[in-house]
Amino acid sequence: GAVVSQHPSWVICKSGTSVKIECRSLDFQATTMFWYRQFPKQSLMLMATSNEGSKATYEQGVEKDKFLINHASLTLSTLTVTSAHPEDSSFYICSARDHLPASKTAAHEQYFGPGTRLTVT
Amino acid sequence: AQRVTQPEKLLSVFKGAPVELKCNYSYSGSPELFWYVQYSRQRLQLLLRHISRESIKGFTADLNKGETSFHLKKPFAQEEDSAMYYCALSAGSARQLTFGSGTQLTVLP
Repeated sequence: GAVVSQHPSWVICKSGTSVKIECRSLDFQATTMFWYRQFPKQSLMLMATSNEGSKATYEQGVEKDKFLINHASLTLSTLTVTSAHPEDSSFYICSARDHLPASKTAAHEQYFGPGTRLTVT
Repeated sequence: AQRVTQPEKLLSVFKGAPVELKCNYSYSGSPELFWYVQYSRQRLQLLLRHISRESIKGFTADLNKGETSFHLKKPFAQEEDSAMYYCALSAGSARQLTFGSGTQLTVLP
């Protein structure tokens, strides 16, 4: 259980175009999902917290108009990179927290997707 | 603001040797700490959490509030333990995770 999927797993796009990445919780509902960015050989950096039915909360330094997040259902959050540029090339990872965790300790756990490799040419 | 420090980027040990991956944190509140592991070509997965005081795959980690540390230990390393290990701290209203920079563990035969 507690599987998170991401689509696509990799994408190549031209500079100036927009790219949408989906994050789905497959066997649980998630009111809260998180989007991370990971550069090669570096750690995960939290970009934003995605809240179902409300606006996302962005971390300092992350442009909300560039990285559009939509969390319209309890199982789906999308990240759209608008007007992508080569510097946006990165590995984007989402995670989700179970809305109805089985235990108190499980309430803190995040389940991670496999990531999406974005290359902007 | 919270911060997690993993001082070792790379760590190599021989099979059967003890291993310790260091993690220090700074946080003004009461911390919730985790160790995540990422095996080659696999997604990030939770290894253990301090609140559970559990041992997973032979690994343990004790929260030391005095030293603000949460080091990961295993008495006898196995080759299948080779992976990237991240220490993380959960804080904030949404319990966002702050990750350390990670330690690449290689267990040599």
